[in-house]
Amino acid sequence: SQTIHQWPATLVQPVGSPLSLECTVEGTSNPNLYWYRQAAGRGLQLLFYSVGIGQISSEVPQNLSASRPQDRQFILSSKKLLLSDSGFYLCAWETSGGSEQFFGPGTRLTVL
Amino acid sequence: AQKITQTQPGMFVQEKEAVTLDCTYDTSDQSYGLFWYKQPSSGEMIFLIYQGSYDEQNATEGRYSLNFQKARKSANLVISASQLGDSAMYFCAMRPATGNQFYFGTGTSLTVIP
Repeated sequence: SQTIHQWPATLVQPVGSPLSLECTVEGTSNPNLYWYRQAAGRGLQLLFYSVGIGQISSEVPQNLSASRPQDRQFILSSKKLLLSDSGFYLCAWETSGGSEQFFGPGTRLTVL
Repeated sequence: AQKITQTQPGMFVQEKEAVTLDCTYDTSDQSYGLFWYKQPSSGEMIFLIYQGSYDEQNATEGRYSLNFQKARKSANLVISASQLGDSAMYFCAMRPATGNQFYFGTGTSLTVIP
């Protein structure tokens, strides 16, 4: 069966510090991978998606970036965090050409 | 432009009763999928049910059913025989057949009262 992991579960970082959130998927090959952000009490905002290694599409201009160094690994990064980067970050995967997306447990980021 | 609207920020239902969570959508695409996800307090998004725009039958998954009215562009979620564990945020989402983006509504908070 397929599983999706996110690390870390929670993170508190000062403004201006770097960020690296990791997402890994097990039990599937060549998945489409997604990063979403959910502000408190709000819906999901798509940040990045990837259909293959090294292929990243950005949906929203911001100070975040994403990378996909391996088939089942998706990383969300920032060189300098802003207060507005606080939120709940969810990684999701789907089979290529699939319908529903499956979400990881999320990372709760607080920028102080 | 794609848009999902959930007009009920909060809903209450008595245990064992049925509840309907509203969702309307706006799209110019002819082919699309409609989804409902449940988000408990732990934060994880749990897939509940899917309806394709060309499906003639309303989707059902256990106690969940999707009341799909294509002409009205609505995709309401019906939860029958509510349980305490159903208390959570519920998100409606749409995905056009072309492209990779899911469009999510702002969610409805459901509280099941014992």
